[in-house]
Amino acid sequence: NAGVMQNPRHLVRRRGQEARLRCSPMKGHSHVYWYRQLPEEGLKFMVYLQKENIIDESGMPKERFSAEFPKEGPSILRIQQVVRGDSAAYFCASSPPVTTGELFFGEGSRLTVL
Amino acid sequence: AQSVAQPEDQVNVAEGNPLTVKCTYSVSGNPYLFWYVQYPNRGLQFLLKYITGDNLVKGSYGFEAEFNKSQTSFHLKKPSALVSDSALYFCAVRDGNTGGFKTIFGAGTRLFVKA
Repeated sequence: NAGVMQNPRHLVRRRGQEARLRCSPMKGHSHVYWYRQLPEEGLKFMVYLQKENIIDESGMPKERFSAEFPKEGPSILRIQQVVRGDSAAYFCASSPPVTTGELFFGEGSRLTVL
Repeated sequence: AQSVAQPEDQVNVAEGNPLTVKCTYSVSGNPYLFWYVQYPNRGLQFLLKYITGDNLVKGSYGFEAEFNKSQTSFHLKKPSALVSDSALYFCAVRDGNTGGFKTIFGAGTRLFVKA
């Protein structure tokens, strides 16, 4: 059973460009979560999605950031007009629809903004 | 709102000695508590969880954690540390009463085990 797949693992963008990060959850998982980890910091919750629905986006910056989880295909975290402060590791996690349990994490996508 | 505090940025332990990594939490409903470990340039791996029942929970790699409701703590422990336990450890909490799935993580504690 494949784990949570994130790509790209590393992404370099110049200021003002767009970054798109993709996440395919584990088979059978319908819940996806995105977290951001800044250097030497903990994980900050960004957004929680189910198929075609954003359930909780309380951690998303108000501008430039968006997320989706379409009926078909991976979840996408999109950052428009990136700035240097967006440089971080972005982790995706997934969970099955009914659970009291843990999250399953991908290996992360590391964004560097030049 | 949920929150998690890990008061130590770093814990240093000699190999073979017991280790404790501290965690306190705040949640309005029943807490679902978790510990995860992160190795360099990797994602987080689940270690153990407390949902209900026995306050002492056992997890992967010989780790255990004790839930203390009165102190709102969930400290991670291991009787005998290994050098390979050196990693970044995260405590996390969910609010079981709200039915939501949002999990909040602490800032992490870096564990160094010296040979």
